[in-house]
Amino acid sequence: DGGITQSPKYLFRKEGQNVTLSCEQNLNHDAMYWYRQDPGQGLRLIYYSQIVNDFQKGDIAEGYSVSREKKESFPLTVTSAQKNPTAFYLCASMSLPGNTIYFGEGSWLTVV
Amino acid sequence: KQEVTQIPAALSVPEGENLVLNCSFTDSAIYNLQWFRQDPGKGLTSLLLIQSSQREQTSGRLNASLDKSSGRSTLYIAASQPGDSATYLCAVMNGNKLVFGAGTILRVKS
Repeated sequence: DGGITQSPKYLFRKEGQNVTLSCEQNLNHDAMYWYRQDPGQGLRLIYYSQIVNDFQKGDIAEGYSVSREKKESFPLTVTSAQKNPTAFYLCASMSLPGNTIYFGEGSWLTVV
Repeated sequence: KQEVTQIPAALSVPEGENLVLNCSFTDSAIYNLQWFRQDPGKGLTSLLLIQSSQREQTSGRLNASLDKSSGRSTLYIAASQPGDSATYLCAVMNGNKLVFGAGTILRVKS
């Protein structure tokens, strides 16, 4: 089946650790996005990428890093510099501007 | 900077009622507007996409309108059902980015 796969579904991070969230899509989409969702709030854009080996910061990029070495993959690393990382993280992809955007099922990250 | 506001924040209605969710945005230079549904702890599912040149889109019991000049969109749900209970989010595309509202939490009581 075509779609977007995020893993893991649940992740716990200790203070000072870096963790990486995986996002894979088999929709042959060029653009991929990472959003963060906090309770009672809308989605906020962390990073996005329109082509391989290129990505841009979104509105809340501090403390996060990404890579886009393959069209299908757009992993997000939450670094120790992100002081409040507990949130629901959503990955998305889109074929062209103006088309429907598709979301993965999300990953819950909790700091312990 | 584009800002998207959704009203009301939460809504509870009896089954069978028709209802309207509202979305407003500050910058009318949008590429399109989309409405999404989100179930608790899940990703988003696209419901309707309205291009900037369109006035409305319909899918089953859902109808979304767009008035770009006034910066408003409405999502109309006819004959609501308990299965419609979810959070509904609208988002506008500016350039290459989607900007989201905070959502409306809908509960349909049986």
